[in-house]
Amino acid sequence: DIQMTQSPSSLSVSVGDRVTITCRASQGISNSLAWYQQKPGKAPKLLVYAASRCESGVPSRFSGSGSGTDYTLTISSLQPEDFATYYCQQYYSTPPTFGQGTKVEIK
Amino acid sequence: EVQLVDSGGGLVKPGGSLRLSCAASGFTFSTYSLNWVRQAPGKGLEWVSSISSSSKYIYYADSVKGRFTITRDNAKNSLYLQMNNLRAEDTAVYYCARDRGGDSYWYFDLWGRGTLVTVSS
Repeated sequence: DIQMTQSPSSLSVSVGDRVTITCRASQGISNSLAWYQQKPGKAPKLLVYAASRCESGVPSRFSGSGSGTDYTLTISSLQPEDFATYYCQQYYSTPPTFGQGTKVEIK
Repeated sequence: EVQLVDSGGGLVKPGGSLRLSCAASGFTFSTYSLNWVRQAPGKGLEWVSSISSSSKYIYYADSVKGRFTITRDNAKNSLYLQMNNLRAEDTAVYYCARDRGGDSYWYFDLWGRGTLVTVSS
């Protein structure tokens, strides 16, 4: 199975800050990477797929990048509604696997 | 409205069985692969099982293989997960989730609200 490692596990930030979350795969995944946002008690929400394609309706402050084994989710200017846990997921090979999550908290 | 509504969770003893259901509406159910993804309390996401649009292709995580069975009924727009020989480590919120774009895309754009399965004596 491909292992996905996110960093950091958590971060404390302020509204308006730029946030960068990284995800490293244990082998190359050819941009087969998705990012999700999950708020407490809610289902995950798809933000980005194919490493850099934003899902319809996702605010433009969210962007994804990367290649090979290393990928990044960036929030250009954090808004109050963005405080949540973020997960990466590879779908290059079966089984699809998720990172352990990055919790974005209010400073 | 495009939605998935999962149900069937509850408290069950170790070794017991439970059947989860997921009712779909608002989209052409028969053209999408469907999945179950679970989340143990306070933990991350774990993919459990997938079934293709026609039920031709079925996949399971190693942790549930031989104990769980995924099925679907396209006439009823419904997805199921039969869970047998349940263990404490199966305790989780179970989500049904739709493949984005159709068949075997393996990332998920529509999720149910989740149903809690608790395995405890």
